[in-house]
Amino acid sequence: GAGVSQTPSNKVTEKGKYVELRCDPISGHTALYWYRQSLGQGPEFLIYFQGTGAADDSGLPNDRFFAVRPEGSVSTLKIQRTERGDSAVYLCASSLTAAGWQFFGPGTRLTVL
Amino acid sequence: AQSVTQPDIHITVSEGASLELRCNYSYGATPYLFWYVQSPGQGLQLLLKYFSGDTLVQGIKGFEAEFKRSQSSFNLRKPSVHWSDAAEYFCAVGDYHGSSNTGKLIFGQGTTLQVKP
Repeated sequence: GAGVSQTPSNKVTEKGKYVELRCDPISGHTALYWYRQSLGQGPEFLIYFQGTGAADDSGLPNDRFFAVRPEGSVSTLKIQRTERGDSAVYLCASSLTAAGWQFFGPGTRLTVL
Repeated sequence: AQSVTQPDIHITVSEGASLELRCNYSYGATPYLFWYVQSPGQGLQLLLKYFSGDTLVQGIKGFEAEFKRSQSSFNLRKPSVHWSDAAEYFCAVGDYHGSSNTGKLIFGQGTTLQVKP
């Protein structure tokens, strides 16, 4: 597609469950970012991939959060043992290079009951 | 530490009036600065960016911003606001320096713009 896509657009889960959020970046973009946006706040950085490797995961809040990008294209953000505080919109962005500007997807709204 | 402050959480202007949204940053090197707009249910759209050169940058939808190093500011302006400009606006600084050089964005908390008819 022409832009960054994210699936699902909405995810409702119960506390303690496992969830996976998917991001399809723009074709050819080597850099991929995940951000989390809580209600009334600006997005906060989670993790950055350059190609297949996580070059910076300093924003992941704890070890329940993990992300992969096995083939350097699609990325999956995985959250184990979800907590109510994980409820937020999870945004994915991609750019041609790390120095390029980022194009954002529409986000996945995660609600943990 | 790197940070971005948007002092105004909510601004209301009349349609046709001028607009200025404030942004202050803290960053240890020459900053790369961005303004994004987010409409309800939409993703973030880049309005404009400053990397270097002319400190007055033009963006899409008639927006402009001015980088003032002495004031650590990057305020967004528009001479005449349209009702369709009602949205959330985010200022951000890009982390392109240092050993990480990841390009990750550090966002302010956003300013909600309401436009009165």
